Amino acid sequence: ELKVEQNPLFLSMQEGKNYTIYCNYSTTSDRLYWYRQDPGKSLESLFVLLSNGAVKQEGRLMASLDTKARLSTLHITAAVHDLSATYFCAVTNTGNQFYFGTGTSLTVIP
Amino acid sequence: DAEITQSPRHKITETGRQVTLACHQTWNHNNMFWYRQDLGHGLRLIHYSYGVQDTNKGEVSDGYSVSRSNTEDLPLTLESAASSQTSVYFCASSARQGTLRETQYFGPGTRLLVL
Repeated sequence: ELKVEQNPLFLSMQEGKNYTIYCNYSTTSDRLYWYRQDPGKSLESLFVLLSNGAVKQEGRLMASLDTKARLSTLHITAAVHDLSATYFCAVTNTGNQFYFGTGTSLTVIP
Repeated sequence: DAEITQSPRHKITETGRQVTLACHQTWNHNNMFWYRQDLGHGLRLIHYSYGVQDTNKGEVSDGYSVSRSNTEDLPLTLESAASSQTSVYFCASSARQGTLRETQYFGPGTRLLVL
C-alpha cells in the first residue's frame, strides 16, 4: 500500500518567517499534488507537479518534486496570516488512485 | 461557472439506515471520486468512476456503493449506516479521460453523523 507522510503535522510560525513542509511517499509516483483546506471548507488545488525536478511557484508558496528521493517540499516565504490553513500532498499509483498525506496544519501568528 | 455540489451538507441518521449522499458536477468531467476525511487519516478514497456505467473500489469501500448513470452525478450510498461511518464526505471530479491523474476539484463536503 502506498503511504504518504507529511511533516510537520502542526506548524506555528510568525509572520515574515520562512518554512518548509515535507511530503514523503513510499513507492514510485511521477505526479504529486498539493492542496489547501481552510477550516470547515473544501480542498483547493494548489500545484500539480508532473516530473522529477518540477518546481512551481504561486505567490509566497513554492513546491518542488524529487521523484528519486520520493520527496516533495512546499516552501513558504515571508508567511502572512492568510496562509493559515491545512496543506495536503497527494500522489497517485499505477492504479490511478489518489493517496493523501494526513495534512500539515499551519498557523501564522502576527 | 462550473461547480460541484453536494447534498445534503449535514445529515444525522441512525445505525442500520440506508443513506444516500448526492454529488453533482457541471464541469462535464469524466472522472468522479468519493472520499472520507477523518482526523489523523487525511482523505481516503471510497469509490471512483472513469465515466458512465464505470465504478471502482477505493481504499475504504466496504459498506459503501456508487452508481454512475450519467456524467454529472455520482451518488454514494451507505447500505446500512454504522457509527464508524461518521465522517466528512467529499466528492471530487477531474477532466482527463481514462486516468485519475489530473488535479481534482472538490465539492463543499457533507458532514454525516451516525447515531
